[in-house]
Amino acid sequence: EVQLVESGGGLIQPGGSLRLSCAASGFTVSSNYMSWVRQAPGKGLEWVSFIYSGGSTYYADSVKGRFTISRDNSKNTLYLQMNSLRAEDTAVYYCARHGGTSYSYNGMDVWGQGTTVTVSS
Amino acid sequence: DIQMTQSPSSLSASVGDRVTITCRASQGISNYLAWYQQKPGKVPNLLMYAASTLQSGVPSRFSGSGSGTDFTFTISSLQPEDVATYYCQKYNSAPLTFGGGTKVEIK
Repeated sequence: EVQLVESGGGLIQPGGSLRLSCAASGFTVSSNYMSWVRQAPGKGLEWVSFIYSGGSTYYADSVKGRFTISRDNSKNTLYLQMNSLRAEDTAVYYCARHGGTSYSYNGMDVWGQGTTVTVSS
Repeated sequence: DIQMTQSPSSLSASVGDRVTITCRASQGISNYLAWYQQKPGKVPNLLMYAASTLQSGVPSRFSGSGSGTDFTFTISSLQPEDVATYYCQKYNSAPLTFGGGTKVEIK
């Protein structure tokens, strides 16, 4: 079964760091395009970061310089390292796989259940 | 960066009605557009990609059209289980911006 399971969320003070994990099963993370998407309480979806199958990475302006997307091929796991956290980073964070091939991608066809990050003192 | 503007932000319609949502890109994105459904308390679900290609398993009452800057998402006959918020998303290049969402309710 194709599945994504996130972990690592929690309550963190402003300025702190957190690393989210997204363990994949049923497919290979390194062969796919993967994204992190977040949703603040009562708000819409916000794309956060993207990693190509080839390894290139991209970020939303709101997190650039603070967040880092990466993957561990041996663990078939995607990560999001979040530093210098702010109250406005409070959200449910989803990892998602993009459909398509190893050379092109389209919409996100597999989503994790989400992990909640709360930034508060 | 390209902005994605969805309208309306919410709508209420009767069961069986035809429902249309629009999504406008501030610059051309060819057909690199996806539509998602998010039911209350649930994870988003991909309905459509390439503006008009239905994701496997999605009912045929959902359809999409458009290219360039103007896109349309249609539910041909609204059903009670379609109550959700619908989002468009561009994916031609980063940032992969979402529209603001359209909340669909039953009248």
